[in-house]
Amino acid sequence: DGGITQSPKYLFRKEGQNVTLSCEQNLNHDAMYWYRQDPGQGLRLIYYSQIVNDFQKGDIAEGYSVSREKKESFPLTVTSAQKNPTAFYLCASSTNSDNEQFFGPGTRLTVL
Amino acid sequence: DAKTTQPTSMDCAEGRAANLPCNHSTISGNEYVYWYRQIHSQGPQYIIHGLKNNETNEMASLIITEDRKSSTLILPHATLRDTAVYYCIVRPLRSNDYKLSFGAGTTVTVRA
Repeated sequence: DGGITQSPKYLFRKEGQNVTLSCEQNLNHDAMYWYRQDPGQGLRLIYYSQIVNDFQKGDIAEGYSVSREKKESFPLTVTSAQKNPTAFYLCASSTNSDNEQFFGPGTRLTVL
Repeated sequence: DAKTTQPTSMDCAEGRAANLPCNHSTISGNEYVYWYRQIHSQGPQYIIHGLKNNETNEMASLIITEDRKSSTLILPHATLRDTAVYYCIVRPLRSNDYKLSFGAGTTVTVRA
């Protein structure tokens, strides 16, 4: 089955620790994205990547970092510099010729 | 700056059609109307998109007014599984701006 996987579904971390969220897709999509969603709110873009080894900041990149070493993988690191990291994190992908984005199931991060 | 306005919530009876309105009075000539939905604690799911003609697929129909300032998403026979937040988004089909701007959407509750 083609799709996007995010793991784990739930993640707990202590304050001050960095944590990396995984996102993998086997859709052969060039572009990948990370969004953050807070309760009752829409999605906000953290980072996106249109091609391997290249990525751009979104609206709320501070306190986050990404890498795109492989086409199918776009991991997101939530660093200790992110002041309010508890949220629902969503990864998406698309072709570069069509803006329809396919989303993963999300990872709910709770920082204690 | 919100490009679309949607009602906060609406109820629908199971088996009946659900008509979801969206206003996008500042839409540009090259912008499409996209609809996504998000079932609780899952990633958003693409539903449909259109430019000016009405569109239909296996999930829904999209009716866009002649002046393109508003549109309606129609779920022809709502089921309990259609309970979700529905997002109306406007953006160019192919663009270097890959961000999807999700507002708060419409929370649709389908009741038995």
